[in-house]
Amino acid sequence: GAVVSQHPSWVICKSGTSVKIECRSLDFQATTMFWYRQFPKQSLMLMATSNEGSKATYEQGVEKDKFLINHASLTLSTLTVTSAHPEDSSFYICSAAQSNQPQHFGDGTRLSIL
Amino acid sequence: KQEVTQIPAALSVPEGENLVLNCSFTDSAIYNLQWFRQDPGKGLTSLLLIQSSQREQTSGRLNASLDKSSGRSTLYIAASQPGDSATYLCAVRSNDYKLSFGAGTTVTVRA
Repeated sequence: GAVVSQHPSWVICKSGTSVKIECRSLDFQATTMFWYRQFPKQSLMLMATSNEGSKATYEQGVEKDKFLINHASLTLSTLTVTSAHPEDSSFYICSAAQSNQPQHFGDGTRLSIL
Repeated sequence: KQEVTQIPAALSVPEGENLVLNCSFTDSAIYNLQWFRQDPGKGLTSLLLIQSSQREQTSGRLNASLDKSSGRSTLYIAASQPGDSATYLCAVRSNDYKLSFGAGTTVTVRA
């Protein structure tokens, strides 16, 4: 089946630093990639949708200058959390889809900001 | 805006018992509905996908039904096993291809 690789799986960093999370589709070309955020015991909340070569579309309430998304190729999207603070600590999950096909999800990244 | 609700939030059953997980959604104009499994600290594994024109899907011990007009889906897991312990998420895909997730049902199957 389709595989999406997300890296790193866990990161701990100091407040004020920036953190980059990578999402790769390993065996298909992902025309669209999605970034979600999940708080404990809550549902996944869509943060943004990115199409290859275009600017990401952010959901209401998500700061685009805080969460920078780049989708430069059909197999790679990155999410950079800039100047991270403790309230940014969460579980971030990416997914990738080819055209209108179902989304395939990465294993998530647990981000802890001290 | 699509709202997805899952009841119950948590469920604990002895091994061998059948599981019934419920999902409801507010907007019946959906593209499809998907059930996922999530293990602690992990990503999502797709279990079943039901297109809007379908009434049910089956895979092994899993069966999912869809009643689009009433905004409901049910996931049945037959003869539960300890390995079925996980959080089960329901997600509705709208016609703009975005997924709206429920908060999940956390299942514990006791040996």
